[in-house]
Amino acid sequence: QQQVKQSPQSLIVQKGGISIINCAYENTAFDYFPWYQQFPGKGPALLIAIRPDVSEKKEGRFTISFNKSAKQFSLHIMDSQPGDSATYFCAARGFQKLVFGTGTRLLVSP
Amino acid sequence: KAGVTQTPRYLIKTRGQQVTLSCSPISGHRSVSWYQQTPGQGLQFLFEYFSETQRNKGNFPGRFSGRQFSNSRSEMNVSTLELGDSALYLCASSPGTVDGYTFGSGTRLTVV
Repeated sequence: QQQVKQSPQSLIVQKGGISIINCAYENTAFDYFPWYQQFPGKGPALLIAIRPDVSEKKEGRFTISFNKSAKQFSLHIMDSQPGDSATYFCAARGFQKLVFGTGTRLLVSP
Repeated sequence: KAGVTQTPRYLIKTRGQQVTLSCSPISGHRSVSWYQQTPGQGLQFLFEYFSETQRNKGNFPGRFSGRQFSNSRSEMNVSTLELGDSALYLCASSPGTVDGYTFGSGTRLTVV
């Protein structure tokens, strides 16, 4: 019940395309849903986050869509760029900690 | 503003040894959390310290322990190392809640 399921495991998108990563959770006690971006050799960095009372949040090219009834949320990267190539983790806050998805390795081809 | 500093960056240890990892949080941050990152298991929560007290603990064996000092710096100790302990160990600091998590670059531990 504390799991967050993330898909796909890997993703290849052409430059300028839309990257979409999906996550699902079971526990309705989760109350904060951040996305992290991780480059090789670095720790995860907060990209964007949403709370369950909001259905969508946009920051630049990054958008989180949140479906509370389906217990799903997704990250959309518009106009994907080669510099976006990284591993992306969704997470959910509950029980005074963050529970992470298993990660999606995104490759944006030039 | 300095970020979260983890030392050392890389470590190679022999099975059965023990190891201590260090984390210096962002100035003013009182919460330090530790995560283990492996290719197979992703990011797994180890424990969180707030004002020198362990506030939360994950599902790791007792070989994994930590502490936090009065200046909020934290150390993590793993005793009797096993091959499966090879991982990237990440420290994250925040003012007090997980909303403000900032991760360090991690310590890459290899057990041989």
